[in-house]
Amino acid sequence: QVQLVESGGGVVQPGRSLRLSCAASGFTFSNNPMHWVRQAPGQGLEWVALISYDGNNKHYADSVKGRFTISRDNSKNTLYLQMNSLRAEDTAVYYCAREPVSSTTFDYWGQGTLVTVSS
Amino acid sequence: QSALTQPPSASGSPGQSVTISCTGASSDVGTYNYVSWYQQHPGKAPKLMIYEVTKRPSGVPDRFSGSKSGNTASLTVSGLQAEDEADYYCSSYAGSNNFVFGTGTKVTVV
Repeated sequence: QVQLVESGGGVVQPGRSLRLSCAASGFTFSNNPMHWVRQAPGQGLEWVALISYDGNNKHYADSVKGRFTISRDNSKNTLYLQMNSLRAEDTAVYYCAREPVSSTTFDYWGQGTLVTVSS
Repeated sequence: QSALTQPPSASGSPGQSVTISCTGASSDVGTYNYVSWYQQHPGKAPKLMIYEVTKRPSGVPDRFSGSKSGNTASLTVSGLQAEDEADYYCSSYAGSNNFVFGTGTKVTVV
C-alpha cells in the first residue's frame, strides 16, 4: 500500500533553515510527480511546490519562490523540501502528496510534519 | 493565485444531501477539468474523494459526486452519515504548473 512519511519538522527561529523529508513506499516512486502542500494552524490548504518524476522540472508557489527548494532522490525513494529564510507565516503542517501518473490531482498524502517559526 | 471560494459551513441531517460550491475563475476551474475534492477530519491528512470533476477513486462511496458549470464546481454528499462530518476542500489546476485550493467548508451532520 502507498505510504508517505514526512519528517524533519520542528521549531526554528525566523531567518533560519530547515529541511523536510518524505519517505515513500508501496509504489514506484520514480514514476510520479510529487508535491508539498502546507496548512497553517486552523487555516486551509496551500500548494507549495511540485517536482517532476525525474527531478528535472520544479515549480513553486509565489509565496515560497526563491526561499524553498524541492528535490528528490529516486534511489532513496525520498522527497525533500529545503526551506531557507523562514518567516513566521511559514508556520504550518507540511504534507507531501503524490500526483498519479495518469491525472492531475493529489491521490495520496502523508500524515504531515509541523514546522513552527518562532523566536 | 487567489484561493477558490467555498462557503465556510454546510449542514444536513442524516440521510439528507448537502452540496458544497467551489467558485474559481476562467483561468482555473473554468478552463481545466482537473477539479478535485478532499475530505479532512480533525488532525488528519486530507483524503481524495473526487478527481477530474466527477471521478471517484476506488473505495470512495458513490454517495459522493462532483460536477462543474462554468467557473463553479460542486460536491454533493447524498445520504449523509455521521462519518461525513469533516472539512472539505476543492482544488484546481491553474495552468503553468500551478495549483490552487479552496477556502474549505466545514460540513456538520446535525
